Amino acid sequence: AQSVTQPDIHITVSEGASLELRCNYSYGATPYLFWYVQSPGQGLQLLLKYFSGDTLVQGIKGFEAEFKRSQSSFNLRKPSVHWSDAAEYFCAVGPDNNDMRFGAGTRLTVKP
Amino acid sequence: NAGVTQTPKFRVLKTGQSMTLLCAQDMNHEYMYWYRQDPGMGLRLIHYSVGEGTTAKGEVPDGYNVSRLKKQNFLLGLESAAPSQTSVYFCASNRGGSETQYFGPGTRLLVL
Repeated sequence: AQSVTQPDIHITVSEGASLELRCNYSYGATPYLFWYVQSPGQGLQLLLKYFSGDTLVQGIKGFEAEFKRSQSSFNLRKPSVHWSDAAEYFCAVGPDNNDMRFGAGTRLTVKP
Repeated sequence: NAGVTQTPKFRVLKTGQSMTLLCAQDMNHEYMYWYRQDPGMGLRLIHYSVGEGTTAKGEVPDGYNVSRLKKQNFLLGLESAAPSQTSVYFCASNRGGSETQYFGPGTRLLVL
């Protein structure tokens, strides 16, 4: 069965600094990979997804992620973090939405 | 266009009581999902539906029942609530397969 590991429970970055959130997955075939963001008290919002093709995926809000098959990773990046990016971020993997596994999440704090 | 809405937003139950959570979507989506979110864990799929009148089990279905009598509504029932069902419940919907899921704001349930 597929699984997802987000090694960092909590990350703090300064506003304007770059960001990388790690995601490692275990899956037997070519995975569908997703990154979601959850603001406090809200539901999840899709940032980006990878199905096939170009391994560098662009998403909303200036985020991007790179699929690296050899490392079983799908790390999320942003070149310059804004205070409004403070939230919890979830990586997910699966053959489709009916059998998707989510990571435990990484909470991002942004310092002024 | 309200998207995905959930009722109620918060509920306290005593062990053994029953309740129904309502999810409604106005996007004419075929697929609907119920997840639970627990501290330190990602979302876990409880049940899902691929169309009106259909339901299927997800990763953690025990203790829950669902019904999809109308395309726009997906009900999650707890027949005899247990403290282990204390969680935040999220509903989501999409057009199907690996299409983007749209999440509701969540229902916080506390079982005493």
